[in-house]
Amino acid sequence: DAKTTQPPSMDCAEGRAANLPCNHSTISGNEYVYWYRQIHSQGPQYIIHGLKNNETNEMASLIITEDRKSSTLILPHATLRDTAVYYCIVRESTSGSRLTFGEGTQLTVNP
Amino acid sequence: ETGVTQTPRHLVMGMTNKKSLKCEQHLGHNAMYWYKQSAKKPLELMFVYSLEERVENNSVPSRFSPECPNSSHLFLHLHTLQPEDSALYLCASSQDRRMAIQYFGAGTRLSVL
Repeated sequence: DAKTTQPPSMDCAEGRAANLPCNHSTISGNEYVYWYRQIHSQGPQYIIHGLKNNETNEMASLIITEDRKSSTLILPHATLRDTAVYYCIVRESTSGSRLTFGEGTQLTVNP
Repeated sequence: ETGVTQTPRHLVMGMTNKKSLKCEQHLGHNAMYWYKQSAKKPLELMFVYSLEERVENNSVPSRFSPECPNSSHLFLHLHTLQPEDSALYLCASSQDRRMAIQYFGAGTRLSVL
């Protein structure tokens, strides 16, 4: 699985968009980008995933650059409940059981 | 509510105790997982079960003993634990073991005294 790099922490004002970056310069053609988040002392929660096109669901949007070497998770109107560690994971969709969680980005949404 | 329920949520045990963690999923999934999350460390995959068969054991000490009696239930039996085993233990499930979308329970916070 490709290695990912995320900033250790970010702050965002409540009601504003939170843009969380992820670098994955060694991604291969059949690897997807997955995003999870973990609110303090809870289990991780799947958010969204994509291969090359931008994706949107009720939780977030995922923007993947044309060369697929980086991506951005966008929470359009962050709330205090979005404060969590956000993990970017790159792997094939059906390549085995392993999800490799790195350090992630601690997003703090401030009132 | 993720459809994956873990009990108990908190557990304190001595090093000579025997206890069990329970996980139940109501999603009709075929694969279940145990993860360990120690303070300030990334999640570590411990065990993977697919259709009640253990398919992955990531060098976990024998004092941790998993059991999967059916595809909806997963247990982690604990005995003779060490203080460094104190951690958040997370259960997850997925449609099958190859899928990257996993659904996690809220975890059991374990303290070993």
